[in-house]
Amino acid sequence: QSVLTQPPSASGTPGQRVTISCSGSSSNIGTNIVNWYQQFPGTAPKLLIYSNNQRPSGVPDRFSGSKSGTSASLAISGLQSEDEADYYCAAWDDSLNGWVFGGGTKLTVL
Amino acid sequence: EVQLVESGGGLVKPGGSLRLSCAASGFIFSTQSMNWVRQAPGKGLEWVSSISSTSGYIHYADSVRGRFTISRDNAKNSLYLQMNSLRAEDTAVYYCAREKGGTTMPTHWFDPWGQGTLVTVSS
Repeated sequence: QSVLTQPPSASGTPGQRVTISCSGSSSNIGTNIVNWYQQFPGTAPKLLIYSNNQRPSGVPDRFSGSKSGTSASLAISGLQSEDEADYYCAAWDDSLNGWVFGGGTKLTVL
Repeated sequence: EVQLVESGGGLVKPGGSLRLSCAASGFIFSTQSMNWVRQAPGKGLEWVSSISSTSGYIHYADSVRGRFTISRDNAKNSLYLQMNSLRAEDTAVYYCAREKGGTTMPTHWFDPWGQGTLVTVSS
């Protein structure tokens, strides 16, 4: 059972907009920044969004992040087949004194 | 180019020990906090441990505290994870990851990640 809660799966058709939610608590998302990671099968995770809504260089602006209260969201607009991957949210937890991850969301492009 | 390369994984019997290494290059290793994150087969990411740049701050997940020890050698640009009393549930790919960000840990993120090393605990 992950500390941060994500839907196990999400899907959309090419060109659509998809959002992935990440729910936490006051000790993690409610207080600290949220980061998102993208992972393709058999490869290492890669930073996708940091500090709630910042994109590292090289990440398309189709990807955006937001945070409100104890929840965060990742939005992908103009969905492309190459976006099919697993997505994880993460944050520091002040109570656990450690990093916590969401269980991951598998995105399927139909 | 910033690069992290893990090594030391393998097959070990329950109760055994293993030492993982992570060789860093392309950045000033001695100024960055580092982490170990693992992923069991078919499962999600689980943070294992973190260590600050000078080893002054060390944190562990409850699942490994007392069995795993994180350390670093800044002169060798290397991060380590000593794993003792291994259990079947420790079977996973272990990734090292650099922390980047602001002045405190809650304002950090992981970038980049190494390619991972597989640890299998089985009799």
